[in-house]
Amino acid sequence: GAVVSQHPSWVICKSGTSVKIECRSLDFQATTMFWYRQFPKQSLMLMATSNEGSKATYEQGVEKDKFLINHASLTLSTLTVTSAHPEDSSFYICSAHREGEQFFGPGTRLTVL
Amino acid sequence: AQSVTQPDIHITVSEGASLELRCNYSYGATPYLFWYVQSPGQGLQLLLKYFSGDTLVQGIKGFEAEFKRSQSSFNLRKPSVHWSDAAEYFCAVAFNQAGTALIFGKGTTLSVSS
Repeated sequence: GAVVSQHPSWVICKSGTSVKIECRSLDFQATTMFWYRQFPKQSLMLMATSNEGSKATYEQGVEKDKFLINHASLTLSTLTVTSAHPEDSSFYICSAHREGEQFFGPGTRLTVL
Repeated sequence: AQSVTQPDIHITVSEGASLELRCNYSYGATPYLFWYVQSPGQGLQLLLKYFSGDTLVQGIKGFEAEFKRSQSSFNLRKPSVHWSDAAEYFCAVAFNQAGTALIFGKGTTLSVSS
């Protein structure tokens, strides 16, 4: 149990376009989900906390208008990278909270050309 | 400020040898402590966690970790390393509640030599 999926697993897009990444908890409901960003050979940095039915809480330095987060149901949170640029290329990882533990998705590799 | 430090960026261990990966945190109280492993192209897998109680915690794949309050440390150990243990290891903490966002250390890359 406690499986989290992400879709797509990788995406390549042109600069200026928007990309949506989905994070789903497959076998449990998650009131809270988290979005992290990982640069190559570096650690995971928290971007935002996504709460079902309310606005996401963004970490300092993360542009909320650029990284749109929607948590419309207890099993789905989406991250939309708007007007993507090459510097947004990264590995995006989500996690879902259940019973005091976070369960991580496999990540989404975004490459912006 | 709250922080997590993994002093070793890269460690190489011979197969069959013992392993210890270091993790230190900076916080006024006892945080919730985790160790994760990330293999290339894969997601994070929880190895073990400490919330309270016995300070020696057993995890999956033969790993264990010991919480030492006096040293603000939560070091990961394995008595005999296997080649399949080669991966990136992250120490992480939650400072307020167990279900809040995690702060990760920079990670330690483990290489296993034959």
